[in-house]
Amino acid sequence: DAGVIQSPRHEVTEMGQEVTLRCKPISGHDYLFWYRQTMMRGLELLIYFNNNVPIDDSGMPEDRFSAKMPNASFSTLKIQPSEPRDSAVYFCASTYYRGEQFFGPGTRLTVL
Amino acid sequence: KNQVEQSPQSLIILEGKNCTLQCNYTVSPFSNLRWYKQDTGRGPVSLTIMTFSENTKSNGRYTATLDADTKQSSLHITASQLSDSASYICVATPGGATNKLIFGTGTLLAVQP
Repeated sequence: DAGVIQSPRHEVTEMGQEVTLRCKPISGHDYLFWYRQTMMRGLELLIYFNNNVPIDDSGMPEDRFSAKMPNASFSTLKIQPSEPRDSAVYFCASTYYRGEQFFGPGTRLTVL
Repeated sequence: KNQVEQSPQSLIILEGKNCTLQCNYTVSPFSNLRWYKQDTGRGPVSLTIMTFSENTKSNGRYTATLDADTKQSSLHITASQLSDSASYICVATPGGATNKLIFGTGTLLAVQP
């Protein structure tokens, strides 16, 4: 298996623009997680899904953030409109049941 | 409040030397504790996992210990190599139905030649 796949790897955008981050989990995994990592706050859980259903979105910072998982092999995290304080590395991770979470390579987002 | 604290924040050692990273956790109920290694520009990768009944777990030159009574864990790196330069993150898994991990902020290790 290729592991968790994220795209794009880098994204530079201007304030106010819409940003969409994509994730393909490991085949057979039933949990998918979206994290944000900054130097100040470390890794923060934004939202996680079980069998494509959102379970806990309490970490989503505000209404500008939304996440979807239309099927078992694809998820998106959207920020609209983006702001400079959204600049961070966004990770997607997946696992089966409560096993080890496998992380993707991350998307480095810069909002100017 | 569930939380994980790590020390030191950063550490510089010479190649070949040993080092120990510390983790204190306040997570209840508690299921297990993992140490992750995160190389620059990559996602975290799990090194070890220990449940409350395990005291030590090794993975090559990495040895993790867990004291469930004092809620402390350590990661010992033996004979460090340049490739050990990374961030090491202590992660606690709460017990119960949640799959929400509790992350420490990490220790940034630099191994110098």
